[in-house]
Order: sequence, then structure tokens, then C-alpha cells
Amino acid sequence: AQSVAQPEDQVNVAEGNPLTVKCTYSVSGNPYLFWYVQYPNRGLQFLLKYITGDNLVKGSYGFEAEFNKSQTSFHLKKPSALVSDSALYFCAVRDGTGGSYIPTFGRGTSLIVHP
Amino acid sequence: DVKVTQSSRYLVKRTGEKVFLECVQDMDHENMFWYRQDPGLGLRLIYFSYDVKMKEKGDIPEGYSVSREKKERFSLILESASTNQTSMYLCASSSRDVDTGELFFGEGSRLTVL
Repeated sequence: AQSVAQPEDQVNVAEGNPLTVKCTYSVSGNPYLFWYVQYPNRGLQFLLKYITGDNLVKGSYGFEAEFNKSQTSFHLKKPSALVSDSALYFCAVRDGTGGSYIPTFGRGTSLIVHP
Repeated sequence: DVKVTQSSRYLVKRTGEKVFLECVQDMDHENMFWYRQDPGLGLRLIYFSYDVKMKEKGDIPEGYSVSREKKERFSLILESASTNQTSMYLCASSSRDVDTGELFFGEGSRLTVL
């Protein structure tokens, strides 16, 4: 079984400040971890992923995420938030060992960046 | 540029009508998905297809069926639409390549059932 928790429904941050969107996961085998962003009335867009290798993963639009195996976390971060980063963010996990191609998504976190 | 195209962005249907939602991808992906998105519930998987004519039920298949006659096309069918099927429907595709695995999404189809 696999699951994802995004403990915050909403994150508020001022423009220019660093932002963190939290994600923890549970999976039986090797975790394949993903972050997606959704702008209003649009589909989800892929931001970044961790499959293997360096724990710090860099992605689109200046976002990065750190894989922490001991804490089973994969938090999304950005050093300096922009108003245009305001959107809905989804974390997803897939078991890379089990052979399934189906990811499990978290419920999403709404990021609001204030001018 | 890779693309997943959903045929209708907005649909309004009446209770009991049959509804077809079409999805086409141009990336030669083996896997295709239909999700439903509702506020506070995140994305819930309706059906998954890993090859032509192959399908697996997801978390909420009741009231839905799917068709995959060609690799690039995955259709979601509501045999008799009900008001509780009012939602945003998202189609996605992915490769079986272990080094990728991320999903590519369409723009979504917002269905209202009256």
C-alpha cells in the first residue's frame, strides 16, 4: 500500500520570502516521488521528481525538493516566492519496486503568495 | 511539445444522459489514466489502462466505464449521468520507462450534470 499526506490545506507566504510545502509518504518498496502544480481551471503540470540519486532535486520555475528517507518526507521548497507561484500543489508517490505504474496523490496544498 | 488533449473543456448534461469524455495523447505512452478531482478530496483514480484494450479499475469506478481501442486514445463513459458526477475530470498519460514515470495531464473537462 502507498499513501501521501500533505498536512497543510493552505500555505501563506509573502512575496520574496522562502516557501515550503510539506509532504510525507508511506510506501512498501522504493519511493518514486513527484510534485505537480495546478493553476486555476487547468490540468496538473509536472514540477520535479525523485527516483534515485541526490536527495536534493531541482525542478521547474526555481522549485526544489529534498528527499529525506528517515523522515519519509519530500518537502517542496523555493528560496524566494513570487505572486505567480500561487497555485495548488500536489505531492504523489509510486512504489518503484512493486511494478505498479499508478501513483497516489495527496489532497493538495493551496499556496498563496501575498504581494 | 508533448500533449494530452481532452476534447471538451466544459460540458453541461442532464441526468440520465450518456456522456463521452475523450482523451488523446501524442507521446506514444503505454499508460493512460482518468481521474476525478473534487475540492478537498484531491485526485481520485477512476480507471487506468496499461495497453490497448486493457483496463483496471481505480478507486471509484462505479458509474463509469472506459474504452481504449487505440494506443493514443482513452475514453471515459458515463452510461447514465447523475448529479453526483458533477466534477472536474482529468486525463493523464505516462511512459513505462522506469526513469521517467511522471504523468502528463490534459487541461481537464469540467462536467455539470443538471
